[in-house]
Amino acid sequence: QVQLVESGGGLGKPGGSLRLSCAASGFTFSNYYMAWIRQAPGKGLEWISHITDSGSGIYYADSVKGRFTISRDNAKNSLYLQMTSLRAEDTAVYYCARYDVSGWDSTWFDSWGQGTLVTVSS
Amino acid sequence: SSDLTQGPAVSVALGQTVRITCQGNSLRSFYASWYQQKPGQAPLLVIYDKDKRPSGIPDRFSASSSGNTASLTITGAQAEDEADYYCSSRDSNYNHVIFGGGTKLTVL
Repeated sequence: QVQLVESGGGLGKPGGSLRLSCAASGFTFSNYYMAWIRQAPGKGLEWISHITDSGSGIYYADSVKGRFTISRDNAKNSLYLQMTSLRAEDTAVYYCARYDVSGWDSTWFDSWGQGTLVTVSS
Repeated sequence: SSDLTQGPAVSVALGQTVRITCQGNSLRSFYASWYQQKPGQAPLLVIYDKDKRPSGIPDRFSASSSGNTASLTITGAQAEDEADYYCSSRDSNYNHVIFGGGTKLTVL
C-alpha cells in the first residue's frame, strides 16, 4: 500500500532553515506528481508547493515563493522541502501528499503522510 | 488567486442526511475534491474527479456541483463521520491549488 513518511521537522529559528524529507513506498514514485501541504495549529489546509513527476515543473504558493524549494530524487523515492528565511507564520504540520490529475480540470491529493511539525520560534 | 468558502460548522442527527457546501469562482472551471480530517490525523480523500470515491470510502459519501458551488453529501451520517471536511480545487492560476477553510461536522 502507498506509504508516505515525513521527517525533518522540529524547532527552527526565525530567519533559519530546515529541510523536510518524505520517503515514499508502495507505488511507482517516478510516475506521480508530489506536493507539500501545511496546516498551522488549529487552522485549515494550505497547499504550498508541488512538483511534476519528472521534476521539470515546480510551483509554489505566494506565501513561500522565494523561500522554500521543493525537489525530488526519483532514484531514492524521496521528496524534499528546503525551507529558508523561516518565519513564525511557517509554524505548522507539513504533509507530504501524492498529487494526481485527470485532464485539465480535476486534481486531488490521494495519499498523505502523517505529517511533521515545524515550529519557528526564537 | 481565488478563494473557496465553506461554512464553519454543520450538525446532523445520526442517520440523517447532511450537505456540506463549498463556493468559489474556481469551481466554475475546475472540479472539487473533498477531504475528511479527524483530530490528530492526516486528511483522507473522500471524493475526487468530480464524484468518484476512493476504495474504502462508503457510498453514503457523494458529491455534486453547480455553477460556483460544490457539495459533499453524506446520506445516513454515522458517528464516525464526525470530522472536519475540506474542499479543494485548482486555482484560477492554473498551476496553484486552493483549499476551503473547512467545515466541522458534528453528528448528534
